[in-house]
Parts: sequence; C-alpha cells; structure tokens
Amino acid sequence: DGGITQSPKYLFRKEGQNVTLSCEQNLNHDAMYWYRQDPGQGLRLIYYSQIVNDFQKGDIAEGYSVSREKKESFPLTVTSAQKNPTAFYLCAGRDNTNSPLHFGNGTRLTVT
Amino acid sequence: GESVGLHLPTLSVQEGDNSIINCAYSNSASDYFIWYKQESGKGPQFIIDIRSNMDKRQGQRVTVLLNKTVKHLSLQIAATQPGDSAVYFCAENPLGGNKLVFGAGTILRVKS
Repeated sequence: DGGITQSPKYLFRKEGQNVTLSCEQNLNHDAMYWYRQDPGQGLRLIYYSQIVNDFQKGDIAEGYSVSREKKESFPLTVTSAQKNPTAFYLCAGRDNTNSPLHFGNGTRLTVT
Repeated sequence: GESVGLHLPTLSVQEGDNSIINCAYSNSASDYFIWYKQESGKGPQFIIDIRSNMDKRQGQRVTVLLNKTVKHLSLQIAATQPGDSAVYFCAENPLGGNKLVFGAGTILRVKS
C-alpha cells in the first residue's frame, strides 16, 4: 500500500535524551513536513523539506532537527533542548503547493 | 500561527441531519484551501479542497463553500453519520507559499 509510514506509534523517553522519529513515504512526494499537535490544538509546523538535502525551519523549529538524505525518508530528532517534547508528531508529504498534504498516523512521544 | 487553546468549538448534530462547520482564514492572498478530518489517535485525512477561483465544490456528501470577501470557508456534510464524528480542520495555502496554515479545529459530535 502507498502512504506515509510513521514509526513507532508510541515512544517513551527520559528527559535529557535525544529521540528520533521515523517517517517513510512511497508516494514519490517531493515535499515532506513535520507537525506537532498538542491536546485540543491545531497543527504547528516544525520543519519541512521541498527537495533532497534541503530543509527549512517552520514555526517551532527550536529543539528539533531533521535530515533529508533520500526522497523517501524524513526523520525528525527531538533533542534534549526541546523544553516540552511530549506531544503527538505528524509527518506529511505532498507533490506541490496545489495539492493536499497526505499525513501519516503519527507518533505519540512521552518524555518523563 | 499560535494555537487558540484547549477548548475547541464543538458542533453537536443529530444523526441524519446536515452539518455545517465554519472556518475563518487569515490571509487574503491564500489561493488554495483544504478540509481535513482527524479521528482520535490518527493523522488528518483529506476530505475536499477548493481553489480561490471557485466558490463552491462538491464531493460525496460534502460541499465546501468559499467566500473570499469575508475570508470564510465552510464544510457542509449531508446526512451526518456517527462515523463523521471527529475533529475537522481547515487549512489555507498562501499564494506562492510552501506551507499550509491550519485552523484550530472544530469537534463534530453526532448523536444517534
């Protein structure tokens, strides 16, 4: 099946540890995005990438890092510098600015 | 943009009735708009989109209306079903921009 695959679905970490969330796609999307969602709130953009080996900061990039070494993969690292890392993280991709985002089913990260 | 807090607006409708979910968007230069449905613990799912050169578009049981004069978007769901219960988000794409901007969301509850 084609789609955006995020893993794992649930992730638990101790405070002070870096953690990497996986996002893989087989839809041949050029652009990929990471969003953060907090309970009862909308989606806030962390990072996005329009092409391999290039990415831009979104609205809340502090404490996060990404890489885009290949088209199919866009992993997100939540670093220890992120003050409130517990959240639901969503990865998405799309072909161009005139097409909708396709989302994965998210990773729920809990940091204690 | 900033989130609006933990209290999402809620629309409660009786099964079989029509639902209308409203969204005020922020950028008069936005030229592409999307509605998403998000069920608990899942990623947002594309419902329908509309471009700024249109004021109405219909899908299966759904209709999107765009009023550019007052920067208002609405989603109409005909014969609402229990499976329609979810959080609904509107999103706008500013002309020439690479990022979708999401609204805070509306909870739709369908009573049987």
